[in-house]
Amino acid sequence: SYELTQPPSVSVSPGQTARITCSGDALPKQYAYWYQQRPGQAPILVIFKDSQRPSGIPERFSGSSSGTTVSLTITGVQAEDEADYYCQSADSSGTYKVFGGGTKLTVL
Amino acid sequence: QVQMVESGGGLVKSGGSLRLSCVASGFSFSDYYMSWSRQAPGKGLDWISYISTSGSQTNYADSVKGRFTISRDNAKNLLHLQINNLRVEDTAVYYCARGVLVGATFAYFDNWGQGTLVTVSS
Repeated sequence: SYELTQPPSVSVSPGQTARITCSGDALPKQYAYWYQQRPGQAPILVIFKDSQRPSGIPERFSGSSSGTTVSLTITGVQAEDEADYYCQSADSSGTYKVFGGGTKLTVL
Repeated sequence: QVQMVESGGGLVKSGGSLRLSCVASGFSFSDYYMSWSRQAPGKGLDWISYISTSGSQTNYADSVKGRFTISRDNAKNLLHLQINNLRVEDTAVYYCARGVLVGATFAYFDNWGQGTLVTVSS
């Protein structure tokens, strides 16, 4: 079955830039989406179609794509950004939806 | 505002059945694909299933195919997930989410409910 691979954890100091990657063979063909999940809460969409930001999501969140890897970048990280982040996409047919394993962002 | 509220979770013995429900409000329910995902304790998100606006098209992850059935009642703004032959590994928080199409294909989830916990005991 198709898999998306994320690093388990990323740590940054407040004000620095955090970059979370997600790799998958079908990413050149399928868009990627990113979700933020704080402890005990439901996921929130923060990036759609690789790089677009939903209304209400701060500008410090951005997304990019290059070949089989997509990235979520948080510029000027704040304490409130500490959360788990999940990428999501689909297999090459677009039929089956897949989440990455998640990355825990720690703000030091 | 867009809101989904799940219900129907609880403690069930292995081999049992449950029917989860999700009531939606704040948007035109019948205009949107809907989906279910789950999250086992301390683990990541897993997509389970989605259903088209009319209910005529459904799709399931291989891990649940044959045991889970998604359905909807547009007149009541309700989404359901029937789970049969429950296994210990089905223990998870089950989330309903509103779906968004890209082109003609269900692509992603733009709003999520708070989830309902299903615990399966042996």
